[in-house]
Amino acid sequence: DTEVTQTPKHLVMGMTNKKSLKCEQHMGHRAMYWYKQKAKKPPELMFVYSYEKLSINESVPSRFSPECPNSSLLNLHLHALQPEDSALYLCASSQVGQGGTDTQYFGPGTRLTVL
Amino acid sequence: QKEVEQNSGPLSVPEGAIASLNCTYSDRGSQSFFWYRQYSGKSPELIMSIYSNGDKEDGRFTAQLNKASQYVSLLIRDSQPSDSATYLCAVNLSSYKLIFGSGTRLLVRP
Repeated sequence: DTEVTQTPKHLVMGMTNKKSLKCEQHMGHRAMYWYKQKAKKPPELMFVYSYEKLSINESVPSRFSPECPNSSLLNLHLHALQPEDSALYLCASSQVGQGGTDTQYFGPGTRLTVL
Repeated sequence: QKEVEQNSGPLSVPEGAIASLNCTYSDRGSQSFFWYRQYSGKSPELIMSIYSNGDKEDGRFTAQLNKASQYVSLLIRDSQPSDSATYLCAVNLSSYKLIFGSGTRLLVRP
């Protein structure tokens, strides 16, 4: 089963709100990712966790705060967002390594609108 | 700057035809190559992965990799209207970093 789940599917928030996006996988993958995707653009990598530790932060503003409570869960905490942060937020997971084990599987995404 | 290039399209083919999607990449050290299909408003769905030079077939899909020429392609045989989507080529530079092309929009005409 190559399923990554994300909640909520849609989120509308004001610029002063605090909200969280959640991602879960049960494939035993030890790498998890957050991507941001704007309309008609490819996904852009935001964060990578490997073995529950933050491995990559692609210079993402601090109003986005990732958290990996355990090997199956990944959260993205949102605070004081701007309207330009409105996008599709994608979670992905993969095994750790190369040579056929690095395939990333995406969840269905959370459509975020910042008013 | 590591780059993955795709023609944005749209590529329009009649139903039943072969659709050919192409992608070039700049980093000769790349080892893993992927094709994702993305319907409008949905998330990317893995179609094929390929790691060695040559062809890899899975049903109606064939991925082709030529590392010497730094290109990877996807052939879709017997194209169906349901294949109409954006196809993203992705290249893995390291264990974690996928570099995506801008995507090719495919339209299959009934």
